[in-house]
Amino acid sequence: EDQVTQSPEALRLQEGESSSLNCSYTVSGLRGLFWYRQDPGKGPEFLFTLYSAGEEKEKERLKATLTKKESFLHITAPKPEDSATYLCAVQANQGGKLIFGQGTELSVKP
Amino acid sequence: DTAVSQTPKYLVTQMGNDKSIKCEQNLGHDTMYWYKQDSKKFLKIMFSYNNKELIINETVPNRFSPKSPDKAHLNLHINSLELGDSAVYFCASSPDRGHYGYTFGSGTRLTVV
Repeated sequence: EDQVTQSPEALRLQEGESSSLNCSYTVSGLRGLFWYRQDPGKGPEFLFTLYSAGEEKEKERLKATLTKKESFLHITAPKPEDSATYLCAVQANQGGKLIFGQGTELSVKP
Repeated sequence: DTAVSQTPKYLVTQMGNDKSIKCEQNLGHDTMYWYKQDSKKFLKIMFSYNNKELIINETVPNRFSPKSPDKAHLNLHINSLELGDSAVYFCASSPDRGHYGYTFGSGTRLTVV
């Protein structure tokens, strides 16, 4: 069964303290791995798509990487405005649905 | 202009009632989805339509019925609401059956009392 597990469930950082979020997955043929950001009371906002092992993508303080079993979202020198829940999802080769992990709730204190 | 808009944003109703949630997208996408997010923030797909054709129908009680009058609209009707239906329901759309990711609406928080 296709599955996504994210860790940690919650992460508290001081402003400027870099860290990484993990997304482990099992899927019957990976078509794509997606990272989303969700703020309270809002819908998930698209950040990145990764399609093959070894691929990396960056956006401001965020960098996403992908291996055959997991993906990392690296946050460099985070700011309080980076506080949100970060969701990871995979899409299998069969069908178009995204299978989501339970998310990592990030809190960055000034 | 909001890309994917859902109405209403909040819905409080009694058990046993029937209610509908509407979704519209102005992105020209072919595929639309309904997802349910539970209290633990876990998002799970319910339905997907591609050009008005139902392509994904997960294990969802048949009290839930999606309807897509055209490819820009996907509505969700729920009969005989139960306490366990309380959740946030998200509509989303994508241009290529999800290959390039989804654009989500802002959600409808349904509370059944």
